Amino acid sequence: DIQMTQSPSSLSASVGDRVTITCRASQSIANYLNWYQQKPGKAPRLLIYAASSLQTGVPSRFTGSGSGSGTDFALTISSLQPEDFATYFCQQSYTTPLTFGHGTKVEVK
Amino acid sequence: QVQLVESGGGVVQPGGSLRLSCAVSGFSDFRNTDMHWVRQAPGKGLEWVAFLRYDGSDRDSADSVMGRFAISRDTSDNTLYLEMNSLRPEDTAVYYCVTDPGTGYNSRFDNWGQGTLVTVSS
Repeated sequence: DIQMTQSPSSLSASVGDRVTITCRASQSIANYLNWYQQKPGKAPRLLIYAASSLQTGVPSRFTGSGSGSGTDFALTISSLQPEDFATYFCQQSYTTPLTFGHGTKVEVK
Repeated sequence: QVQLVESGGGVVQPGGSLRLSCAVSGFSDFRNTDMHWVRQAPGKGLEWVAFLRYDGSDRDSADSVMGRFAISRDTSDNTLYLEMNSLRPEDTAVYYCVTDPGTGYNSRFDNWGQGTLVTVSS
């Protein structure tokens, strides 16, 4: 199975901060990497697919990127908004079993 | 507006069975859309459970549920199912049904239900 390692597991930030979350795959997954946001008690929401494609309706302050290695990816929030405090998960779609990272909780500083 | 509504969760004893349903509405393309079940144990991360190709030609499931869970769909009433047998305490989770507009590598989970809680406990 492909292991997805997110870092950090949590971070504290303020409104307006630039925040970056990283995700590393245990083997190359090309650009088959998706990002989700989840708020307490709610279902996850798709933010980014195929490493850098913005899902319809998601604000442009969210960007996804890959290093080109096929193993290292990042989600960046350019200017954190109050509604962005949540947990973020990466997920690989390269092969089954489809696997998720353990999540990064973005908390208020 | 796409809406997915799961039902069928509840409390069941170890070794028992449950069938989850997911009613899909506001979505004219259900017949051509791949579907998945994803679960989340209380306070934990997300785990993919099972996949069903839109035309039923392919299906897959996680090793942890293989041979115990079965995914199916009824396109006549836009419903996805998850038949769960030989349930274990570690199956305790919120179960989400999700739509997948991608194909193969472009797989992604773009619409989610609200989830239904399954608790396996004696």
